[in-house]
Amino acid sequence: DAGVIQSPRHEVTEMGQEVTLRCKPISGHNSLFWYRQTMMRGLELLIYFNNNVPIDDSGMPEDRFSAKMPNASFSTLKIQPSEPRDSAVYFCASSLVSATGAFFGQGTRLTVV
Amino acid sequence: QQQVKQSPQSLIVQKGGIPIINCAYENTAFDYFPWYQQFPGKGPALLIAIRPDVSEKKEGRFTISFNKSAKQFSLHIMDSQPGDSATYFCAASHQGAQKLVFGQGTRLTINP
Repeated sequence: DAGVIQSPRHEVTEMGQEVTLRCKPISGHNSLFWYRQTMMRGLELLIYFNNNVPIDDSGMPEDRFSAKMPNASFSTLKIQPSEPRDSAVYFCASSLVSATGAFFGQGTRLTVV
Repeated sequence: QQQVKQSPQSLIVQKGGIPIINCAYENTAFDYFPWYQQFPGKGPALLIAIRPDVSEKKEGRFTISFNKSAKQFSLHIMDSQPGDSATYFCAASHQGAQKLVFGQGTRLTINP
């Protein structure tokens, strides 16, 4: 199994630009999570989906952030417009709803200048 | 109530020693307590997990001790090795593996 695949691994963009992060969960997993990691705030859950349906988006910081899961094998996290304070490592994770243990991807390091 | 408090922030141990990392929680609805290990440039990887119906769980050199009444749990690493140097996160959730709440992390260094 290839694990959770995220792209790009690194993204540098200018303030005000739109950024799209992508995630392919582990095949067969039906829960998908987006986390953000910073030195100041640690690992924060932004949003999670069960069976492609958003369940809890209370961690999404602002309306500038949006996430979609059009099918079981793909999800995106979009930031529009991006700001320097969005600079962080964004992780996607997946799991089985009925099981335990979430598996994380390698992350996307986003830098907004 | 959703917080998980982790200590210490950093820890340095000699090879062969037993580092201990502690976590405390408030939400009594939490029913799943995993530990994750993260190396630089990598995503967190599930190391070991426990549910509140047992007080201890061992997997290889890693042991979780769980104190339900005190709402605390800890990770012990036996015979620690330099390769164990990483950042360790405790976490908690209810509803199975959904919506993990993470501690702030402990940067562990094992000196040769």
